[in-house]
Amino acid sequence: AQTVTQSQPEMSVQEAETVTLSCTYDTSESDYYLFWYKQPPSRQMILVIRQEAYKQQNATENRFSVNFQKAAKSFSLKISDSQLGDAAMYFCAYRGRDGGTSYGKLTFGQGTILTVHP
Amino acid sequence: EAGVTQFPSHSVIEKGQTVTLRCDPISGHDNLYWYRRVMGKEIKFLLHFVKESKQDESGMPNNRFLAERTGGTYSTLKVQPAELEDSGVYFCASSQAGLATYFGPGTRLTVT
Repeated sequence: AQTVTQSQPEMSVQEAETVTLSCTYDTSESDYYLFWYKQPPSRQMILVIRQEAYKQQNATENRFSVNFQKAAKSFSLKISDSQLGDAAMYFCAYRGRDGGTSYGKLTFGQGTILTVHP
Repeated sequence: EAGVTQFPSHSVIEKGQTVTLRCDPISGHDNLYWYRRVMGKEIKFLLHFVKESKQDESGMPNNRFLAERTGGTYSTLKVQPAELEDSGVYFCASSQAGLATYFGPGTRLTVT
């Protein structure tokens, strides 16, 4: 079974600074997807960024980028130029390849609470 | 386009009572999932529908939980009878093949 570990229960960053959230995972599959979701205090879970395991290039979405190290099974999220609105719980998640037995099912890490200081 | 919606947003019930949670997925999404987050713990998968069929219900905790998806549209998750350990936030999510999974706002269930 797949597992996802977020070792940082809480992180904080100053506005406009950069912060990196860590995530490691364990799987025997070679083809899969990794995601970072953000859950602000309003509770709606929002997709931040997605990475396909077969792609070597790290995904980037505006101020959000990932450092995907497949061999090390590491998937960290970097937030640049942090904004007050980035304050939220961040979840790292794994999804097996489409068509596999776990198709579509997400396995989540424990979450990291990010605080942004003005 | 409307996102995933859930009703109610919050439910407080007594132990032994029944509660039914509803989820309306994004229109056209065949895949519908239920997840649960118990206080302080990670989000756990409960089950997965493909249209009206249960694809995977390996995460359902016990037979007090019953999920249905009538006509492949909205889904309900019934807890009967509720126990204290059922308290948590229940998330619904939907996706279409090969694309990202979108979540609803969740239903916070409190069993007293």
